[in-house]
Amino acid sequence: ETTLTQSPAFMSATPGDKVNISCKASQDIDDDMNWYQQKPGEAAIFIIQEATTLVPGIPPRFSGSGYGTDFTLTINNIESEDAAYYFCLQHDNFPRTFGQGTKVEIK
Amino acid sequence: EVQLVESGGGLVKPGGSLRLSCAASGFTFSSYSMNWVRQAPGKGLEWVSSISSSSSYIYYADSVKGRFTISRDNAKNSLYLQMNSLRAEDTAVYYCAREVPNYGFFDYWGQGTLVTVSS
Repeated sequence: ETTLTQSPAFMSATPGDKVNISCKASQDIDDDMNWYQQKPGEAAIFIIQEATTLVPGIPPRFSGSGYGTDFTLTINNIESEDAAYYFCLQHDNFPRTFGQGTKVEIK
Repeated sequence: EVQLVESGGGLVKPGGSLRLSCAASGFTFSSYSMNWVRQAPGKGLEWVSSISSSSSYIYYADSVKGRFTISRDNAKNSLYLQMNSLRAEDTAVYYCAREVPNYGFFDYWGQGTLVTVSS
């Protein structure tokens, strides 16, 4: 089973900041990493597929990078509407596993 | 518009049973594998179970194997999770999620339904 270690668990940002969220896999998962955004009471939204591909309809201030074991979700010029819980998911092997999540607060 | 709407959650005593449903719309349900994922209070997400489009392939997390049963009715565009012998540690929000064919990641999620196991 692939363990995903996501950090930080919580972060507070100011509008306009650049934010980085890390997800480290316990074994090589190629580019089989995905990122999601979830707001309280709402369905999770798919934002980055296969490590670097922006899902259609997602603002270009979101980007993903990484390969193998180290992955990063970056939010450039963060906006107040980006306050949410973000999590990563690997689909390289079974069982599918998730990072512990990051709560992003906007000051 | 793709929509997944879970229902059936609630309060149940340890050892009890509950059946969750996920109503799908806005896509050809019979063409997609579907999954259940849960999140316990204050914890990260945990994959629970998956079922292929024609129900030929079914998988479970070790934590629920032998107690939970996933099923689907393609005629009704619905996914189900029968949960038996429930334990306190099964308390969580349960989400259904659509799986992208040939890739294995999840592209759409429901809003979730809360299951609380407590005496």
